[in-house]
Amino acid sequence: GDSVTQMEGPVTLSEEAFLTINCTYTATGYPSLFWYVQYPGEGLQLLLKATKADDKGSNKGFEATYRKETTSFHLEKGSVQVSDSAVYFCALAGVSGSARQLTFGSGTQLTVLP
Amino acid sequence: NAGVTQTPKFQVLKTGQSMTLQCAQDMNHEYMSWYRQDPGMGLRLIHYSVGAGITDQGEVPNGYNVSRSTTEDFPLRLLSAAPSQTSVYFCASSYHRTGGNYGYTFGSGTRLTVV
Repeated sequence: GDSVTQMEGPVTLSEEAFLTINCTYTATGYPSLFWYVQYPGEGLQLLLKATKADDKGSNKGFEATYRKETTSFHLEKGSVQVSDSAVYFCALAGVSGSARQLTFGSGTQLTVLP
Repeated sequence: NAGVTQTPKFQVLKTGQSMTLQCAQDMNHEYMSWYRQDPGMGLRLIHYSVGAGITDQGEVPNGYNVSRSTTEDFPLRLLSAAPSQTSVYFCASSYHRTGGNYGYTFGSGTRLTVV
């Protein structure tokens, strides 16, 4: 079945540092890929998404490129802020199986220090 | 525009008790689903529905029941709570369009503790 493998945390960075959170996936066909963010005590918010190979999703300075050849969707940000501290989840919506419901990675806790 | 509304936000149950977690959406989405979030495991799909009257099991359905009598509501029932069901539960509604254009909206979650 579909699966998502995400870089394990926690990750601690200083403000203005470069961020990369790795995400790779296993799925049949061409799934849609997502990054969600969860701030403390809150639900999940969509950060960005990509629906086909070579698409780049971007939002709030975060970027991720759908790489079919490496089955990856790594999250990057050039300069993190304290307000970016949160848990980040990589997810996919497959083209078969559970009616295209989301399959999540285990999440990566990011802490940004001032 | 409320989106997805979950109630209650917090609940403590004793082992063997039953309860229903409520979920309602006002976006006219055809799909709804329930996930549980456990430390280090991400979110796992419990049950989902592709429309009123149609439900199916996800990855971890045991111990939970669902029904979908209307487009708006998708309650999750715990028939006999167990400590292993201590978790944070999220409801989501979604639309699915051609070309992989999918949109998911999550509720704010219900934190359930079973003692």
